[in-house]
Amino acid sequence: GNSVTQMEGPVTLSEEAFLTINCTYTATGYPSLFWYVQYPGEGLQLLLKATKADDKGSNKGFEATYRKETTSFHLEKGSVQVSDSAVYFCALSDRAGGTSYGKLTFGQGTILTVHP
Amino acid sequence: KAGVTQTPRYLIKTRGQQVTLSCSPISGHRSVSWYQQTPGQGLQFLFEYFSETQRNKGNFPGRFSGRQFSNSRSEMNVSTLELGDSALYLCASSLAEGKTYEQYFGPGTRLTVT
Repeated sequence: GNSVTQMEGPVTLSEEAFLTINCTYTATGYPSLFWYVQYPGEGLQLLLKATKADDKGSNKGFEATYRKETTSFHLEKGSVQVSDSAVYFCALSDRAGGTSYGKLTFGQGTILTVHP
Repeated sequence: KAGVTQTPRYLIKTRGQQVTLSCSPISGHRSVSWYQQTPGQGLQFLFEYFSETQRNKGNFPGRFSGRQFSNSRSEMNVSTLELGDSALYLCASSLAEGKTYEQYFGPGTRLTVT
């Protein structure tokens, strides 16, 4: 079946530091990949997406590149801010194997804390 | 456009009772998916509805059920509540077009079972 593995957390950084959150996946087909962010007390917000190999998703200074050869979709940001403190989830949707795009498989989430 | 709305936002129920949660998708979105979020299990897929039909179902017992109405609004029901059902229940909607199939989430319903 499909699965998503995120780096162990939590991650604590100082403002303006470089951020990397690793994400690798296993899928039976050719999935679409997503990063979602969850702020305290809220639902999930779509941060960025990529639908095919070598696609780069980007939004609000965050980037992630779909690497089929390494089955990875690592999230990066060059300079984090205190307001980036949240939980980040890597996810995939895959139509192969009888599942539909309507099912997202999530990683366990990575808690990011940014200090001033 | 208004986002995905979920009602109620908070619920406290007693073990053995049943509960119904409601989700209104973004206007024009035809697919609604439900997820359960707990500290121990993370985010788990419950089911997806499209055009009033359940298209996909996760690995949850039959106590968890749902439906979708002709206006795409969806409800999920949990019968015979157990303590372990305490969770944040998230609803997500999608246009269900093309390959990208982006899902947009509501704020969730926090269910506490005592």
